[in-house]
Amino acid sequence: GAVVSQHPSWVICKSGTSVKIECRSLDFQATTMFWYRQFPKQSLMLMATSNEGSKATYEQGVEKDKFLINHASLTLSTLTVTSAHPEDSSFYICSASRETQYFGPGTRLLVL
Amino acid sequence: GQQLNQSPQSMFIQEGEDVSMNCTSSSIFNTWLWYKQDPGEGPVLLIALYKAGELTSNGRLTAQFGITRKDSFLNISASIPSDVGIYFCAGLNYGGSQGNLIFGKGTKLSVKP
Repeated sequence: GAVVSQHPSWVICKSGTSVKIECRSLDFQATTMFWYRQFPKQSLMLMATSNEGSKATYEQGVEKDKFLINHASLTLSTLTVTSAHPEDSSFYICSASRETQYFGPGTRLLVL
Repeated sequence: GQQLNQSPQSMFIQEGEDVSMNCTSSSIFNTWLWYKQDPGEGPVLLIALYKAGELTSNGRLTAQFGITRKDSFLNISASIPSDVGIYFCAGLNYGGSQGNLIFGKGTKLSVKP
């Protein structure tokens, strides 16, 4: 149990376009999901906390208008990177809470 | 904010050797977690520790929650090639699923067959 999926697993896009990443808890319900970003050879950095039915809580320095989060149901949270730029290229990982945090497999974003 | 100091940063060992890594913090945590991350994958939970002094095993892995609640260690016995990866410790600010995890910088483990 406690399986979390992400889609897509990787995406390449042109600068200025928007990209949506989905995070699903497959076998449990999660009122809270988290979005992280990880740059090469670095640790995970929390971007925002996504709560079902309410606004996400963003960490300091993370632009909420650039990284739109929607937690529409107890099993789905989406992260949309709006007007993506090359510096947004990174590995984005979500987690869902069930006693503790279980992570998805990550989405690698490359912005050209 | 809270920070975790994880050491060593990297380890190169021979298959069959035991491994030890640890995390320390200047502040206390209610929960300590250890994750393993393979390249291009998300972290996988190895062991969760909920009580100070708790010693928990998962196969060849053993982890302890320090009495002071400011540190934790992870031991891997009789390492094998598939143990290769990056190990992260993480502290939870407060109990419950809504807590934010604070991650260490990771320990990169390489195992020579």
